[in-house]
This record gives sequence, C-alpha cells and structure tokens, in this order.
Amino acid sequence: NAGVTQTPKFQVLKTGQSMTLQCAQDMNHEYMSWYRQDPGMGLRLIHYSVGAGITDQGEVPNGYNVSRSTTEDFPLRLLSAAPSQTSVYFCASREGSGNTIYFGEGSWLTVV
Amino acid sequence: SQKIEQNSEALNIQEGKTATLTCNYTNYSPAYLQWYRQDPGRGPVFLLLIRENEKEKRKERLKVTFDTTLKQSLFHITASQPADSATYLCAQRDSGGYQKVTFGTGTKLQVIP
Repeated sequence: NAGVTQTPKFQVLKTGQSMTLQCAQDMNHEYMSWYRQDPGMGLRLIHYSVGAGITDQGEVPNGYNVSRSTTEDFPLRLLSAAPSQTSVYFCASREGSGNTIYFGEGSWLTVV
Repeated sequence: SQKIEQNSEALNIQEGKTATLTCNYTNYSPAYLQWYRQDPGRGPVFLLLIRENEKEKRKERLKVTFDTTLKQSLFHITASQPADSATYLCAQRDSGGYQKVTFGTGTKLQVIP
C-alpha cells in the first residue's frame, strides 16, 4: 500500500516559472489537502478538497491553484514562482469520517 | 483566531527518563487533539488522538492527557530511547464543516544515550 505519493522530491525553480507538484493517494480517501512547512511557522494549509470536483482555499492560498478531477489525484500548481514560495510542501489525505491525516514524504522546493 | 502553541525550544533528555511535551490552545475548545511524529526529511506520522471528554489516552510507552480547564495537552514518552528523537507536532481540529486541522510548530526531542 503506497499511501500518499508526492513528486518531485526536490525542485529548483527560477522566479516566474510555473510548475505542478503531483500528489496521489491509493486509500480512496475523500479529503485531500496541501500544506507548506516553514521554520518557525509550522504546517500551514494551502488548499483542500472534500471530494472530486470540490476544492477550497486554506490559510495561505495565494500563488497556488489546485484541481481534483479524480479521487486519487490532487495536484498543486504554482502559477508564477516567487522566492517566498521556497518551502517544503506536504500533501495529505484522510477519510471523510476519519481523524487521522496521512502525509506524503514532502517536496522540497527552492525558488531562486 | 484558533491557535495552538508548542514550546519551540528543543527538549534534551537522558535515555530512560520520561519526556513530557506541552501543547496549549487558545480561543477555541477543540473536540480533540492529535499528536504526530516527524522525522527529518519525512512527513508527519499520526501517533495518538485524545477527545475532549477523555482525560488520558495510552499507547505502549506513549501517554497523552487533555485538560480542558488549563487548555492544555501533555504528551509523555516513558522509558525514552534514542530512537524516540524526533519533532512532535500537536494538532487541533478547527470548527467548520471541513474540520480543518491546525498544527503547532512542533517540539524537537533529543534523547541522549
């Protein structure tokens, strides 16, 4: 059972470039979300989804887009990368009726 | 706004002792609190959940308490081992339909052999 899979693990971008962080889960979880983790800031919610076709903004959504065309996949798009988006990104999922959040291994993004 | 606070300073303890980590919450009474473990370069992993009507929850060498009067949860690791060294995150479920979860910044635990 793979759980939550994120790609790429590491990425360096130039300011202004766009890219997509991929996230897939094989647990048939309804809820998926993206967090970023910065030193001293903890995990902050970027966007989340409660099911295919339904997404909403979290605490820090600016500069990011998401879509949820299938239950399994929840990609995060950076539209025009900025140095402030240098961070570690975690994708997560959980059952609709469950409390346990399952995290991916993280994607380290550096914007220069 | 709902806020959850953990001591950001690292906690160093001797192997075999009990480690105690603190989580404080403000402005909201969560239905439950969760504790996660995060190793360097990895994603957080769920450890324990305690509900507001539970005083204490145990799992092997782990114990969590929930004091709604003090607005605090304590996380204990008894007979600590070097393998317990990690960052421990406290999380609370926010109000609202999606049940968004807010995480603390985590406390780094170092168990010294």
